[in-house]
Amino acid sequence: DSGVTQTPKHLITATGQRVTLRCSPRSGDLSVYWYQQSLDQGLQFLIQYYNGEERAKGNILERFSAQQFPDLHSELNLSSLELGDSALYFCASSAPFEGGAGELFFGEGSRLTVL
Amino acid sequence: GQQVMQIPQYQHVQEGEDFTTYCNSSTTLSNIQWYKQRPGGHPVFLIQLVKSGEVKKQKRLTFQFGEAKKNSSLHITATQTTDVGTYFCAGRVGAQKLVFGQGTRLTINP
Repeated sequence: DSGVTQTPKHLITATGQRVTLRCSPRSGDLSVYWYQQSLDQGLQFLIQYYNGEERAKGNILERFSAQQFPDLHSELNLSSLELGDSALYFCASSAPFEGGAGELFFGEGSRLTVL
Repeated sequence: GQQVMQIPQYQHVQEGEDFTTYCNSSTTLSNIQWYKQRPGGHPVFLIQLVKSGEVKKQKRLTFQFGEAKKNSSLHITATQTTDVGTYFCAGRVGAQKLVFGQGTRLTINP
């Protein structure tokens, strides 16, 4: 158990819909990262937050948005869903260093299926 | 932007054979990390290399960081069925985002 909690574990929805994925980082971790992993693909970096502020942005679509709340949990919002958005979405957190220089602890992921 | 290339994409070996995966970055890295993802699981941190030319060992696993801090490798000696999974390298430039390679999926014939 990494200490990172992601909900929901599985989600099935239709094209055009909007979903929210939630992540609770390890206790004390200030950095939260979101990654997308499509079938048999690598980990595509989406976005990073540090103590509530956006720190780095990757290949995140405009239809996707995220935020980190004062209690440090984070949410990833995916809207106008397309079939190609079906993937496993991982959240990870890292120790409280500036910019998150340490190892990442991954949650078990949220598997999104868009029909 | 920063890219981290990892090869091979797939590797199938007989149990007991060695295995190596290679990682190359387009830019100089401040550090590189390695992760293992078991089938159906999530990535788990294995190790971090920081210094130029650094070599670290974990039992049958040997990790190297290149002199120019642009490449790295993971070598597993005498693979076992428990080594099955996908191995990812992840490179960091400065204190910014961690960019993952595409991963090498290792399968083993017992």
